[in-house]
Amino acid sequence: ILNVEQSPQSLHVQEGDSTNFTCSFPSSNFYALHWYRWETAKSPEALFVMTLNGDEKKKGRISATLNTKEGYSYLYIKGSQPEDSATYLCAFEGFDDKIIFGKGTRLHILP
Amino acid sequence: DSGVTQTPKHLITATGQRVTLRCSPRSGDLSVYWYQQSLDQGLQFLIQYYNGEERAKGNILERFSAQQFPDLHSELNLSSLELGDSALYFCASSVGEVYSGQETQYFGPGTRLLVL
Repeated sequence: ILNVEQSPQSLHVQEGDSTNFTCSFPSSNFYALHWYRWETAKSPEALFVMTLNGDEKKKGRISATLNTKEGYSYLYIKGSQPEDSATYLCAFEGFDDKIIFGKGTRLHILP
Repeated sequence: DSGVTQTPKHLITATGQRVTLRCSPRSGDLSVYWYQQSLDQGLQFLIQYYNGEERAKGNILERFSAQQFPDLHSELNLSSLELGDSALYFCASSVGEVYSGQETQYFGPGTRLLVL
């Protein structure tokens, strides 16, 4: 059974602090790893698609790294702002076109 | 506003009924994806269409079907509805053919389905 795990489930971070969280996925049959940002009452927003081991992607203060050999990806947020409060989802895509989402990390930025 | 539209916004129906959810992709996008967001299962990928053809299939029940029309809008048909089908159904679109071809997906606002 393929499983995508995200940790922690929930995270409270002081405004201005940097933070990171993890997505673990199967290391076999890997094709791509996706990160999404999902604010309450809005639609998910695609952040990154990563396919190569060692990939690093950056979008403003948010960046992500990928290790396909050991099956994990980190999402980093530098200098957290209130607008970063959201649920961050990762999704594993295999060569067989199966796409599996993690349950997300809910990030709360404290003023 | 992502440019992806979904109708209706809300839908309330009874068990055993059939409903159709509609999605219009962003102008120029050829791929449409359907997702189901439920409280217990989280976000689940259902199915993808590219230029009218089915390209990838996820955890889509046999009671559900979808299609993409020549004008590229897509419909998700849910039949013999059960209480557990109550969920938020998202549609997303992208330019490219395969799910992860370095394409950015744009999500619609979703259709909230309540089965009573």
